Amino acid sequence: LAKTTQPISMDSYEGQEVNITCSHNNIATNDYITWYQQFPSQGPRFIIQGYKTKVTNEVASLFIPADRKSSTLSLPRVSLSDTAVYYCLAMDSNYQLIWGAGTKLIIKP
Amino acid sequence: GAGVSQTPSNKVTEKGKYVELRCDPISGHTALYWYRQSLGQGPEFLIYFQGTGAADDSGLPNDRFFAVRPEGSVSTLKIQRTERGDSAVYLCASSSDRASPLHFGNGTRLTVT
Repeated sequence: LAKTTQPISMDSYEGQEVNITCSHNNIATNDYITWYQQFPSQGPRFIIQGYKTKVTNEVASLFIPADRKSSTLSLPRVSLSDTAVYYCLAMDSNYQLIWGAGTKLIIKP
Repeated sequence: GAGVSQTPSNKVTEKGKYVELRCDPISGHTALYWYRQSLGQGPEFLIYFQGTGAADDSGLPNDRFFAVRPEGSVSTLKIQRTERGDSAVYLCASSSDRASPLHFGNGTRLTVT
């Protein structure tokens, strides 16, 4: 199972674009990269998933370079309500996920 | 539509007691997962059900923990002889199949005194 590494915490300001980078050096050929968001006292919520290049939905974009050893979650124009913990995970061919401690993102006014 | 529902939202019990935690998954979701989350940590996998059967129970910490899903819908996580170290938030998630994103409930916060 591929282990992921991401910053423990990040700060930004309302209206800014936030990029959270995740390292997954030993990612396997069939692994997908998945990101979840978690607010206090709630369960994690799926944000986006990708295999390579760029994936975009109404919430975020996910950039995965050709070597797939890292990925970047991009949140456009963040607001205070984007303050949360963000988890980067690699899903292997057996659909198993390993959760790290995530990145605590704090958005300031 | 209705999401994953977990009851109770909070449970306080004394050391040595037995507890049951309930999970109502999204209707039609065949995959169901139990996780445990301690403060400041990510979720820790406990068990995965595909339908009625436990397809992977490799995350259960010891034989005091047991989970069932008798009709392929509602699941119950059972903890015998609770210990203070069992205190955590127990999360349930479901998905339409194992490759699909997980939908989590808000968890049951278990406190063992």
